[in-house]
Amino acid sequence: GENVEQHPSTLSVQEGDSAVIKCTYSDSASNYFPWYKQELGKGPQLIIDIRSNVGEKKDQRIAVTLNKTAKHFSLHITETQPEDSAVYFCAASNQAGTALIFGKGTTLSVSS
Amino acid sequence: DTGVSQDPRHKITKRGQNVTFRCDPISEHNRLYWYRQTLGQGPEFLTYFQNEAQLEKSRLLSDRFSAERPKGSFSTLEIQRTEQGDSAMYLCASSTLPDRWEAFFGQGTRLTVV
Repeated sequence: GENVEQHPSTLSVQEGDSAVIKCTYSDSASNYFPWYKQELGKGPQLIIDIRSNVGEKKDQRIAVTLNKTAKHFSLHITETQPEDSAVYFCAASNQAGTALIFGKGTTLSVSS
Repeated sequence: DTGVSQDPRHKITKRGQNVTFRCDPISEHNRLYWYRQTLGQGPEFLTYFQNEAQLEKSRLLSDRFSAERPKGSFSTLEIQRTEQGDSAMYLCASSTLPDRWEAFFGQGTRLTVV
């Protein structure tokens, strides 16, 4: 079935360092790949997304890369700050084009 | 408009009781989704509406679950005869054209079945 694998499950960095989270997906029909940030007690918040016709997208300190051949995509956060601490989820559109399949999440901790 | 609104935020119920949750999407968003999130997991798709039509249901949505969106605006999710395994965060999201994929989530309803 459709599946999204996400690694690592936890990530601890020092303030100012970079953080990288990687995801792989199973369905070659997937064409939309968002990243969500979820803080405790809140719903997921869309932070960046990428579509299959683009290899890389950047928004200030956040960037996402996509390799469709290898079916993997990554989130890069540079110059991390304590407020970046949260759970991050990757997702991929499903084959039917009607919903998102989410990874299991990465808990990012940024210490000052 | 302040985003997707869900009510209640928290619900504690006894096993066997029925519960109903409400979701108000972003105004004029014609697509509405329900997801379920258990502790330590990512959201799992339950069902999807385009306007008032329920177009897809996950196999996770057992016969005890029913969702409606009667006028294409707010939606309700009802769980009948709740079980302890139903304890989870129930998330609602909405999106619209031209970017049907850019989904905005509400804060969720945390259900605890005791």
